[in-house]
Amino acid sequence: GAVVSQHPSWVICKSGTSVKIECRSLDFQATTMFWYRQFPKQSLMLMATSNEGSKATYEQGVEKDKFLINHASLTLSTLTVTSAHPEDSSFYICSASAAGITYEQYFGPGTRLTVT
Amino acid sequence: KNQVEQSPQSLIILEGKNCTLQCNYTVSPFSNLRWYKQDTGRGPVSLTIMTFSENTKSNGRYTATLDADTKQSSLHITASQLSDSASYICVVSANTGFQKLVFGTGTRLLVSP
Repeated sequence: GAVVSQHPSWVICKSGTSVKIECRSLDFQATTMFWYRQFPKQSLMLMATSNEGSKATYEQGVEKDKFLINHASLTLSTLTVTSAHPEDSSFYICSASAAGITYEQYFGPGTRLTVT
Repeated sequence: KNQVEQSPQSLIILEGKNCTLQCNYTVSPFSNLRWYKQDTGRGPVSLTIMTFSENTKSNGRYTATLDADTKQSSLHITASQLSDSASYICVVSANTGFQKLVFGTGTRLLVSP
């Protein structure tokens, strides 16, 4: 149980375009989803936390108008990178947490974004 | 400042050998400590999770220890296999009412044949 999927697993886009990444909890209801970014040889950095039906809470230094997060249902959250630039190239990982248990976060497999 | 430090940064061992990875943390208030395995290009996978009262927890060939007094943890891998080659990340959860995770920078382990 507790499987989180991401789609796509990798994406290449041109500079200036937008790209959407989906995060789904497959076998549980995720009241909270987290979005992380990971640069090569570095650890995960939390970008934002989103609760179903509410606006996301962004970490300091993360532009909310550039990284749009939508958590429309208990099983789906999306991250849209708007007007992507090469410096946005990174590994994006989501995690999901269900209410009523021990706040365990289950991580998705990640999405590799390359902006050319 | 909440921090998690891991050592060594990288490690190469021969297949079949044992190894121990270290984690020191300054996270308050402490809730729990987790060890994750992250294969290259994949998301982290949980190995163990320990609360304040737990000293040790095993998951197959992985054994984690926790000393809450000295704020240290270790992950011991027994009889290493090639598939153990990955990054191992120590993560401490701060009990801020929302379980904020503080990530270590990881130890990159390479198991050589």
